[in-house]
Amino acid sequence: DAGITQSPRHKVTETGTPVTLRCHQTENHRYMYWYRQDPGHGLRLIHYSYGVKDTDKGEVSDGYSVSRSKTEDFLLTLESATSSQTSVYFCAISEATRGLSGELFFGEGSRLTVL
Amino acid sequence: SQQGEEDPQALSIQEGENATMNCSYKTSINNLQWYRQNSGRGLVHLILIRSNEREKHSGRLRVTLDTSKKSSSLLITASRAADTASYFCATDGGGNTPLVFGKGTRLSVIA
Repeated sequence: DAGITQSPRHKVTETGTPVTLRCHQTENHRYMYWYRQDPGHGLRLIHYSYGVKDTDKGEVSDGYSVSRSKTEDFLLTLESATSSQTSVYFCAISEATRGLSGELFFGEGSRLTVL
Repeated sequence: SQQGEEDPQALSIQEGENATMNCSYKTSINNLQWYRQNSGRGLVHLILIRSNEREKHSGRLRVTLDTSKKSSSLLITASRAADTASYFCATDGGGNTPLVFGKGTRLSVIA
Protein backbone atom coordinates (compact mmCIF):
# COMPACT_ATOMS: atom_id res chain seq x y z
CA ASP A 1 0.00 0.00 0.00
CA ALA A 2 1.14 3.50 -0.82
CA GLY A 3 2.26 5.40 2.26
CA ILE A 4 -0.54 7.93 2.62
CA THR A 5 -1.91 8.96 5.99
CA GLN A 6 -4.88 11.24 6.49
CA SER A 7 -5.67 12.89 9.79
CA PRO A 8 -7.99 13.15 11.49
CA ARG A 9 -9.96 10.18 10.18
CA HIS A 10 -13.16 11.40 11.80
CA LYS A 11 -14.14 14.86 12.95
CA VAL A 12 -17.34 16.49 14.12
CA THR A 13 -17.36 20.26 14.26
CA GLU A 14 -19.78 23.16 14.39
CA THR A 15 -20.74 25.60 11.67
CA GLY A 16 -18.37 28.53 11.48
CA THR A 17 -15.34 26.84 13.00
CA PRO A 18 -12.07 26.38 11.08
CA VAL A 19 -11.00 22.87 10.19
CA THR A 20 -7.71 21.56 8.80
CA LEU A 21 -7.27 18.12 7.32
CA ARG A 22 -3.80 16.77 6.81
CA CYS A 23 -2.45 14.42 4.21
CA HIS A 24 1.01 12.97 4.71
CA GLN A 25 2.85 10.81 2.17
CA THR A 26 6.07 8.85 2.40
CA GLU A 27 6.33 8.10 -1.34
CA ASN A 28 7.96 11.37 -2.46
CA HIS A 29 5.34 11.69 -5.21
CA ARG A 30 5.11 15.03 -6.94
CA TYR A 31 1.36 15.43 -7.23
CA MET A 32 -1.14 15.56 -4.38
CA TYR A 33 -4.90 16.00 -4.53
CA TRP A 34 -7.90 16.56 -2.33
CA TYR A 35 -11.25 15.09 -3.42
CA ARG A 36 -14.57 15.04 -1.65
CA GLN A 37 -17.07 12.21 -1.98
CA ASP A 38 -20.79 12.72 -1.55
CA PRO A 39 -23.75 10.46 -2.34
CA GLY A 40 -25.00 11.13 -5.85
CA HIS A 41 -21.91 13.12 -6.83
CA GLY A 42 -19.08 10.65 -6.86
CA LEU A 43 -15.63 12.13 -6.27
CA ARG A 44 -15.06 15.80 -7.03
CA LEU A 45 -11.69 17.52 -7.08
CA ILE A 46 -11.22 20.35 -4.59
CA HIS A 47 -7.58 21.39 -5.02
CA TYR A 48 -4.39 19.81 -6.21
CA SER A 49 -0.66 20.44 -5.97
CA TYR A 50 2.08 19.89 -8.53
CA GLY A 51 4.94 20.73 -6.21
CA VAL A 52 5.93 22.54 -3.05
CA LYS A 53 4.02 25.83 -2.89
CA ASP A 54 2.41 25.09 -6.29
CA THR A 55 -1.32 24.50 -6.07
CA ASP A 56 -4.36 24.95 -8.26
CA LYS A 57 -8.13 24.88 -7.93
CA GLY A 58 -10.37 22.01 -8.82
CA GLU A 59 -14.06 21.75 -9.62
CA VAL A 60 -15.37 22.54 -6.11
CA SER A 61 -12.76 24.83 -4.53
CA ASP A 62 -15.03 27.51 -3.04
CA GLY A 63 -14.74 27.57 0.74
CA TYR A 64 -11.47 25.62 0.78
CA SER A 65 -7.82 26.56 0.81
CA VAL A 66 -4.72 24.40 0.66
CA SER A 67 -1.05 24.63 1.45
CA ARG A 68 1.96 22.54 0.63
CA SER A 69 5.13 23.68 2.37
CA LYS A 70 6.84 20.27 2.15
CA THR A 71 6.73 17.52 -0.45
CA GLU A 72 5.18 15.12 2.01
CA ASP A 73 2.37 17.25 3.44
CA PHE A 74 -0.75 18.69 1.81
CA LEU A 75 -3.16 20.53 4.08
CA LEU A 76 -6.81 21.26 3.33
CA THR A 77 -8.40 24.08 5.32
CA LEU A 78 -12.02 25.02 5.69
CA GLU A 79 -11.78 28.58 7.01
CA SER A 80 -15.37 28.60 8.28
CA ALA A 81 -17.05 25.23 7.99
CA THR A 82 -20.60 24.97 6.69
CA SER A 83 -23.05 22.08 6.74
CA SER A 84 -22.64 21.68 2.97
CA GLN A 85 -19.03 20.70 3.62
CA THR A 86 -20.09 17.61 5.50
CA SER A 87 -18.45 14.92 3.40
CA VAL A 88 -15.78 12.29 3.16
CA TYR A 89 -12.50 13.81 2.05
CA PHE A 90 -9.89 11.79 0.22
CA CYS A 91 -6.29 12.64 -0.36
CA ALA A 92 -4.53 11.11 -3.35
CA ILE A 93 -1.02 11.16 -4.75
CA SER A 94 0.55 10.39 -8.10
CA GLU A 95 4.01 10.18 -9.59
CA ALA A 96 5.48 12.75 -11.93
CA THR A 97 6.08 10.37 -14.85
CA ARG A 98 2.54 10.47 -16.26
CA GLY A 99 1.71 13.99 -15.29
CA LEU A 100 -1.63 14.77 -13.71
CA SER A 101 -3.39 11.93 -15.56
CA GLY A 102 -1.37 9.18 -13.95
CA GLU A 103 -2.48 6.46 -11.57
CA LEU A 104 -3.73 7.78 -8.24
CA PHE A 105 -3.05 6.27 -4.84
CA PHE A 106 -5.67 7.15 -2.26
CA GLY A 107 -5.67 7.58 1.47
CA GLU A 108 -8.35 6.01 3.66
CA GLY A 109 -10.45 9.15 3.87
CA SER A 110 -11.43 11.70 6.51
CA ARG A 111 -15.10 11.83 7.47
CA LEU A 112 -16.13 15.36 8.41
CA THR A 113 -19.47 16.24 9.93
CA VAL A 114 -20.42 19.90 10.29
CA LEU A 115 -23.34 20.46 12.64
CA SER B 1 -16.97 19.02 -16.68
CA GLN B 2 -15.71 16.01 -18.65
CA GLN B 3 -17.03 13.66 -16.02
CA GLY B 4 -17.45 10.04 -16.98
CA GLU B 5 -20.78 8.42 -16.28
CA GLU B 6 -21.04 4.79 -15.25
CA ASP B 7 -23.92 2.55 -16.14
CA PRO B 8 -25.68 0.87 -14.44
CA GLN B 9 -25.73 2.70 -11.10
CA ALA B 10 -26.15 -0.61 -9.30
CA LEU B 11 -25.71 -4.24 -10.31
CA SER B 12 -26.50 -7.40 -8.38
CA ILE B 13 -25.29 -10.80 -9.60
CA GLN B 14 -24.66 -14.32 -8.36
CA GLU B 15 -21.19 -15.54 -7.57
CA GLY B 16 -19.57 -17.05 -10.64
CA GLU B 17 -21.42 -14.80 -13.10
CA ASN B 18 -19.76 -12.08 -15.14
CA ALA B 19 -20.28 -8.40 -14.32
CA THR B 20 -20.15 -5.69 -16.94
CA MET B 21 -20.03 -1.98 -16.19
CA ASN B 22 -19.95 0.81 -18.72
CA CYS B 23 -18.50 4.30 -18.71
CA SER B 24 -19.22 7.14 -21.10
CA TYR B 25 -17.26 10.37 -21.22
CA LYS B 26 -17.47 13.66 -23.05
CA THR B 27 -14.08 14.86 -24.25
CA SER B 28 -10.91 13.50 -25.80
CA ILE B 29 -8.66 11.62 -23.40
CA ASN B 30 -5.07 10.47 -22.96
CA ASN B 31 -6.17 7.53 -20.89
CA LEU B 32 -9.11 6.11 -18.97
CA GLN B 33 -8.77 4.38 -15.62
CA TRP B 34 -10.94 2.14 -13.48
CA TYR B 35 -10.90 2.13 -9.68
CA ARG B 36 -12.56 0.00 -7.00
CA GLN B 37 -13.78 1.20 -3.63
CA ASN B 38 -14.72 -1.15 -0.85
CA SER B 39 -17.20 0.20 1.67
CA GLY B 40 -15.59 2.78 3.96
CA ARG B 41 -12.21 2.59 2.26
CA GLY B 42 -10.18 4.61 -0.21
CA LEU B 43 -10.18 3.93 -3.93
CA VAL B 44 -7.79 1.42 -5.39
CA HIS B 45 -6.50 1.60 -8.95
CA LEU B 46 -7.44 -1.39 -11.11
CA ILE B 47 -6.37 -0.71 -14.66
CA LEU B 48 -5.37 2.06 -17.06
CA ILE B 49 -6.06 1.97 -20.78
CA ARG B 50 -4.49 4.48 -23.13
CA SER B 51 -6.43 6.22 -25.86
CA ASN B 52 -4.61 4.22 -28.57
CA GLU B 53 -5.49 0.89 -26.96
CA ARG B 54 -8.75 -0.98 -27.57
CA GLU B 55 -8.59 -3.73 -24.99
CA LYS B 56 -6.62 -4.58 -21.90
CA HIS B 57 -6.62 -7.49 -19.48
CA SER B 58 -5.55 -7.87 -15.88
CA GLY B 59 -6.38 -11.15 -14.21
CA ARG B 60 -10.18 -11.49 -14.25
CA LEU B 61 -10.60 -7.93 -15.48
CA ARG B 62 -11.10 -6.98 -19.10
CA VAL B 63 -11.39 -3.35 -20.16
CA THR B 64 -12.36 -2.13 -23.58
CA LEU B 65 -12.18 1.39 -24.95
CA ASP B 66 -14.02 2.83 -27.94
CA THR B 67 -12.82 6.38 -28.47
CA SER B 68 -15.18 6.92 -31.40
CA LYS B 69 -18.12 6.34 -29.05
CA LYS B 70 -16.34 7.84 -26.05
CA SER B 71 -17.11 4.78 -23.99
CA SER B 72 -15.40 2.06 -22.02
CA SER B 73 -16.52 -1.14 -20.37
CA LEU B 74 -15.16 -3.12 -17.43
CA LEU B 75 -15.83 -6.84 -17.39
CA ILE B 76 -15.22 -8.89 -14.27
CA THR B 77 -15.32 -12.58 -15.07
CA ALA B 78 -16.28 -15.37 -12.65
CA SER B 79 -17.19 -12.85 -9.96
CA ARG B 80 -16.65 -13.55 -6.27
CA ALA B 81 -18.28 -12.17 -3.15
CA ALA B 82 -15.05 -10.26 -2.53
CA ASP B 83 -15.68 -8.29 -5.75
CA THR B 84 -18.58 -6.54 -4.00
CA ALA B 85 -17.61 -2.86 -4.16
CA SER B 86 -18.20 0.36 -6.06
CA TYR B 87 -16.39 0.78 -9.35
CA PHE B 88 -15.45 4.13 -10.82
CA CYS B 89 -14.10 5.23 -14.14
CA ALA B 90 -11.84 8.27 -14.33
CA THR B 91 -10.76 10.30 -17.30
CA ASP B 92 -8.34 13.10 -18.00
CA GLY B 93 -9.22 15.91 -20.39
CA GLY B 94 -6.74 15.03 -23.11
CA GLY B 95 -4.15 17.43 -21.72
CA ASN B 96 -2.20 17.54 -18.48
CA THR B 97 -5.23 17.85 -16.22
CA PRO B 98 -6.31 15.96 -13.10
CA LEU B 99 -8.59 12.95 -13.33
CA VAL B 100 -12.33 13.42 -13.18
CA PHE B 101 -14.37 10.59 -11.72
CA GLY B 102 -17.81 9.29 -12.53
CA LYS B 103 -20.42 8.54 -9.89
CA GLY B 104 -19.69 4.84 -9.85
CA THR B 105 -21.43 1.50 -10.19
CA ARG B 106 -22.28 -0.41 -7.00
CA LEU B 107 -21.69 -4.10 -7.58
CA SER B 108 -23.12 -6.70 -5.23
CA VAL B 109 -22.00 -10.29 -5.71
CA ILE B 110 -24.24 -12.71 -3.87
CA ALA B 111 -22.73 -15.97 -2.65
